[in-house]
Amino acid sequence: EAGVTQSPTHLIKTRGQQATLRCSPISGHTSVYWYQQALGLGLQFLLWYDEGEERNRGNFPPRFSGRQFPNYSSELNVNALELEDSALYLCASSPLTPLGREGAETQYFGPGTRLLVL
Amino acid sequence: DAKTTQPTSMDCAEGRAANLPCNHSTISGNEYVYWYRQIHSQGPQYIIHGLKNNETNEMASLIITEDRKSSTLILPHATLRDTAVYYCIVRVGGNIPTFGRGTSLIVHP
Repeated sequence: EAGVTQSPTHLIKTRGQQATLRCSPISGHTSVYWYQQALGLGLQFLLWYDEGEERNRGNFPPRFSGRQFPNYSSELNVNALELEDSALYLCASSPLTPLGREGAETQYFGPGTRLLVL
Repeated sequence: DAKTTQPTSMDCAEGRAANLPCNHSTISGNEYVYWYRQIHSQGPQYIIHGLKNNETNEMASLIITEDRKSSTLILPHATLRDTAVYYCIVRVGGNIPTFGRGTSLIVHP
């Protein structure tokens, strides 16, 4: 079974540019999560998509946005890049969990996209 | 989701058992305990999870205390490749997991 894939593996941009990061979840998974991990820091939650809808958003400015496609793959867009956006961006997927259902929901992570803003 | 407390760092000799503790004293009855690890610059890797009972898989064992306020991840025979940051998370499906700083485990020869 193929795991979560992300592209590109590395991305170099300059300040003010836009970056687009892509994620393909494990087959059968409908939820996609995005995290930012700056160097030496923990994972900061960015966005959660499920069934094409944005379900939750972390404490990030609106220039961080994304979408989920009908095949459940996802894009993360970062506009007006700033130097502090340099980080490892991680995507995770999990099986469908209807909102409000209590239970185990294991996330599986991709290898990440390392974004460098110059 | 309940917060967790883990030691910042630990070390272990290769071949010995590594026991990584996690305190989650405010865990609620329907929250699961998850463990992940992150090897330098890679995506976190799922290890194991449990609700009440102890769990074991090919990677590790998870021991949860009877009151569920703490747990221990056990790597029975640590190898150098187990050097990583280990995250303990408690959550219920539908909520956003919170990753803290985790425990940096160094396995030495």
